[in-house]
Amino acid sequence: RKEVEQDPGPFNVPEGATVAFNCTYSNSASQSFFWYRQDCRKEPKLLMSVYSSGNEDGRFTAQLNRASQYISLLIRDSKLSDSATYLCVVNIGGNKLVFGAGTILRVKS
Amino acid sequence: EPEVTQTPSHQVTQMGQEVILRCVPISNHLYFYWYRQILGQKVEFLVSFYNNEISEKSEIFDDQFSVERPDGSNFTLKIRSTKLEDSAMYFCASSDTGIQQFFGPGTRLTVL
Repeated sequence: RKEVEQDPGPFNVPEGATVAFNCTYSNSASQSFFWYRQDCRKEPKLLMSVYSSGNEDGRFTAQLNRASQYISLLIRDSKLSDSATYLCVVNIGGNKLVFGAGTILRVKS
Repeated sequence: EPEVTQTPSHQVTQMGQEVILRCVPISNHLYFYWYRQILGQKVEFLVSFYNNEISEKSEIFDDQFSVERPDGSNFTLKIRSTKLEDSAMYFCASSDTGIQQFFGPGTRLTVL
């Protein structure tokens, strides 16, 4: 089983749509969780940390379910500029980040 | 907003040559990392560095690789005797707490 697993997509959505991405992780000892976004041939950029209580940053909402080892990201009112690859990232301890392969989002006008 | 910087942006080298990739982490950060991303693949951890020593390294980070903090601002990755399969994007990252990590723009290494 992959350490961090994501649906590769692509998710093709119209502007204004709501889209949700899911991710599962295999290591139950994982300590912290993140969503990064990556534009083509650019560096990963931290989008948000993910907490069990859920957290929201503007149009973005992230949720962690430790029992199911499941992480989600919800994007509301999608913008063209949201088009990117969304990376689910897990810190399994010792400061080492383990990346999923990413989910491609394409927002179209 | 402070950011991680990396040089060069693109490095082309012949197989068997040594390369040094340079990074300037965010100034008050204490944890430093190197990751790589082969084209079309996921980002992979190489090594973490704290308090002037390696704190963790992956299976990829073998004797061919080394890291150094030669002064108070730079953090380097040296790859000895490069191979074709070392061609990738190499990202440096830094963190103040060891939790959230911030990435530089990367160095694209092409080995011919």
